[in-house]
Amino acid sequence: DVKVTQSSRYLVKRTGEKVFLECVQDMDHENMFWYRQDPGLGLRLIYFSYDVKMKEKGDIPEGYSVSREKKERFSLILESASTNQTSMYLCATNPRGGNQPQHFGDGTRLSIL
Amino acid sequence: AQKITQTQPGMFVQEKEAVTLDCTYDTSDQSYGLFWYKQPSSGEMIFLIYQGSYDEQNATEGRYSLNFQKARKSANLVISASQLGDSAMYFCAMRDAPWRNTPLVFGKGTRLSVIA
Repeated sequence: DVKVTQSSRYLVKRTGEKVFLECVQDMDHENMFWYRQDPGLGLRLIYFSYDVKMKEKGDIPEGYSVSREKKERFSLILESASTNQTSMYLCATNPRGGNQPQHFGDGTRLSIL
Repeated sequence: AQKITQTQPGMFVQEKEAVTLDCTYDTSDQSYGLFWYKQPSSGEMIFLIYQGSYDEQNATEGRYSLNFQKARKSANLVISASQLGDSAMYFCAMRDAPWRNTPLVFGKGTRLSVIA
């Protein structure tokens, strides 16, 4: 089974802090994704990566950056956290191939105070 | 641009009854894939079922089946014999142009509540 591990289930940070959310997968998948999920809005794509050191902006990249130094690890960075970034963050991965489903981590519920 | 619409924010179903969750999509590509996910209250996203645009048969996985109507651009999820454990959020998602290796686009979800 694919294992996607997010570093924290719950995280509380303060406004202005730099926040790192880590995601690690154990299946050698090329593609990795970061989504945020808010009630009534579904999942919205923040950033994704098709390979090491590659990154692509999703639909809502403002206020975020990412890092992929190793194939198995994809980090989401909130450069200066704000209260409107309080949300559930989901990491996902899949191998190349159009009919491959994305496999998700358990999510990080982030609160910015 | 591709788009997924789930028009039912919430649904109730009696235990052991069947339920249909609606999903319509919009894409200009001829080749695309449709996915359904379940998200229980614990938060994890569970992949349920996949339908390719060129698949001639409707996809089935156990109690889940996909009612795929290509001309109407709909991909409704049917859950037969509902169980209390089916209470969850359900998301429809699409990937168009698979050869471009694009991310999934998700709908806003439908919250299903199964009543004993």
